[in-house]
Amino acid sequence: AAGVIQSPRHLIKEKRETATLKCYPIPRHDTVYWYQQGPGQDPQFLISFYEKMQSDKGSIPDRFSAQQFSDYHSELNMSSLELGDSALYFCASSSQWRERTDTQYFGPGTRLTVL
Amino acid sequence: AQSVTQLGSHVSVSEGALVLLRCNYSSSVPPYLFWYVQYPNQGLQLLLKYTSAATLVKGINGFEAEFKKSETSFHLTKPSAHMSDAAEYFCAVTSSNTGKLIFGQGTTLQVKP
Repeated sequence: AAGVIQSPRHLIKEKRETATLKCYPIPRHDTVYWYQQGPGQDPQFLISFYEKMQSDKGSIPDRFSAQQFSDYHSELNMSSLELGDSALYFCASSSQWRERTDTQYFGPGTRLTVL
Repeated sequence: AQSVTQLGSHVSVSEGALVLLRCNYSSSVPPYLFWYVQYPNQGLQLLLKYTSAATLVKGINGFEAEFKKSETSFHLTKPSAHMSDAAEYFCAVTSSNTGKLIFGQGTTLQVKP
């Protein structure tokens, strides 16, 4: 079965650079979630999209922005990177935003390292 | 607001022994609860979920969890641990208004031979 695809899997950037993370949801899934997992920490919700509209926003820095495109893939753009942005970034997708019971399927994550 | 608390950041069991990972939740609305497993350098995989259909939920790999409203708990169990069960386990609850997941701090399960 098709899974959530994230690219790149690993990314190394310098401080103050920008980074773009991509997420391709499972086919026919209309909702995308982004989470950030710091070293030894639990995943923290950043932002979500339903049918290309932002549906919820968590503790996402103003330096970050995201969008969902017409083909439902999503991109997380990160500017002015800081050392503290080093983390594992997960994308998850589900098929029914309005159904809280619907399972979120996670991608393998993008490991961002800021030097 | 919803939250989950996982008691015990590290749990160590012998192979073949009972696995018990504890999760307590706080929710102002009927909760929907999930257990995810994360192997090293991998994404999160759903083990099981509670959506009010049945209080005892069976998941993959022999895991199950029981929803106890009176104790606000959703503990994860497995009768007999296998070496391949060694991983990080996260309990999560969905927020009341959107589908975002709120995770507990995670429990690292170590299985000794």
